[in-house]
Amino acid sequence: SQQGEEDPQALSIQEGENATMNCSYKTSINNLQWYRQNSGRGLVHLILIRSNEREKHSGRLRVTLDTSKKSSSLLITASRAADTASYFCATGHGGSQGNLIFGKGTKLSVKP
Amino acid sequence: EAQVTQNPRYLITVTGKKLTVTCSQNMNHEYMSWYRQDPGLGLRQIYYSMNVEVTDKGDVPEGYKVSRKEKRNFPLILESPSPNQTSLYFCASSVRLAGAWGSEQFFGPGTRLTVL
Repeated sequence: SQQGEEDPQALSIQEGENATMNCSYKTSINNLQWYRQNSGRGLVHLILIRSNEREKHSGRLRVTLDTSKKSSSLLITASRAADTASYFCATGHGGSQGNLIFGKGTKLSVKP
Repeated sequence: EAQVTQNPRYLITVTGKKLTVTCSQNMNHEYMSWYRQDPGLGLRQIYYSMNVEVTDKGDVPEGYKVSRKEKRNFPLILESPSPNQTSLYFCASSVRLAGAWGSEQFFGPGTRLTVL
């Protein structure tokens, strides 16, 4: 029951550039979360945005949410080689479907 | 240090030999979950537990069992492993049901399982 779908699947940029990843989903959500995974390791929570919020910031991260388009974007500004990782969006739904549902991820490569 | 631990981190086994992957969290979280991650398929939920003695199936529960006898532990049991269960497994925990309540999930480091 995949919900979030990230786009692009892979992204390669130079250090210092901005990286934008998008996530689209199908059914209404009550929150959307972004996670980072360094190669083969556990996922790390980055940021959470609730359905009544439009934008959130955390350091170099900016997340937007457009519930009318059922989409979210994650912007990493002034990227660094250490940002190289896979990024996943996870959608949260209420009621009995209360688990997070993860997309397949965007693989970001930041070249020094 | 707040963390989720998994053991073993790497395991190579043979078809049919029962195994258990342990998961433990020290954050007093109510909610725990198991995922498997496969190339091209992303993260898929196997089982989850909303509290002690309360477990439920995720998207891909076939061939797996879990138990939640204590709040901190949530072992994953493969009674008769098969090669299609070769995968990277993650345990995760959160204060409450992550999707419904917007709780952050904390992930373990992963267990790479190969079934020959």
